[in-house]
Amino acid sequence: KNEVEQSPQNLTAQEGEFITINCSYSVGISALHWLQQHPGGGIVSLFMLSSGKKKHGRLIATINIQEKHSSLHITASHPRDSAVYICAVGAAGNKLTFGGGTRVLVKP
Amino acid sequence: ETGVTQTPRHLVMGMTNKKSLKCEQHLGHNAMYWYKQSAKKPLELMFVYNFKEQTENNSVPSRFSPECPNSSHLFLHLHTLQPEDSALYLCASSLTGHTEAFFGQGTRLTVV
Repeated sequence: KNEVEQSPQNLTAQEGEFITINCSYSVGISALHWLQQHPGGGIVSLFMLSSGKKKHGRLIATINIQEKHSSLHITASHPRDSAVYICAVGAAGNKLTFGGGTRVLVKP
Repeated sequence: ETGVTQTPRHLVMGMTNKKSLKCEQHLGHNAMYWYKQSAKKPLELMFVYNFKEQTENNSVPSRFSPECPNSSHLFLHLHTLQPEDSALYLCASSLTGHTEAFFGQGTRLTVV
């Protein structure tokens, strides 16, 4: 069993729909990261959080430390949001352990 | 554009070749990382450098040899690789070992 589990593995949505991706982890962490990977491989850091909730544009990330669970929400999804979203946890700084990713496809 | 530049973007090499991957950042970051992403597997941490010193080697085979001559540059020297080493190799940097990491575009390596 991976230390970081994401669900779903794949997600297809219609443009405008609300999307939720979940991440559960089994180790103590100092921070949790949400990353976005587009085709071609480049990765962009979306959020780094250790408690509560963060919002950036249409993206919202929440974390519940007690439950060892985080969610990434995309509001009013758009085809350009199509990407792989990766959850990663850092037990000690940026020694990150990664989830398997959630492949999101937003159809127009 | 994250400020972390990797070259080359694509590399095909034979099992007897020696090649190097390069990563460069001018963000003033002091920590740099190599990650490996194999097909259908999660990203894996390979090496961590803080202030040019290697602080983490995640049980990486010796055919991968990192070098960090200064805080802005990180290399991954490759020799006698195996086909199963074919993967996307990603570099990242962060101001410290505990701050947000910025990733490069990756080098897609194919070993033939």
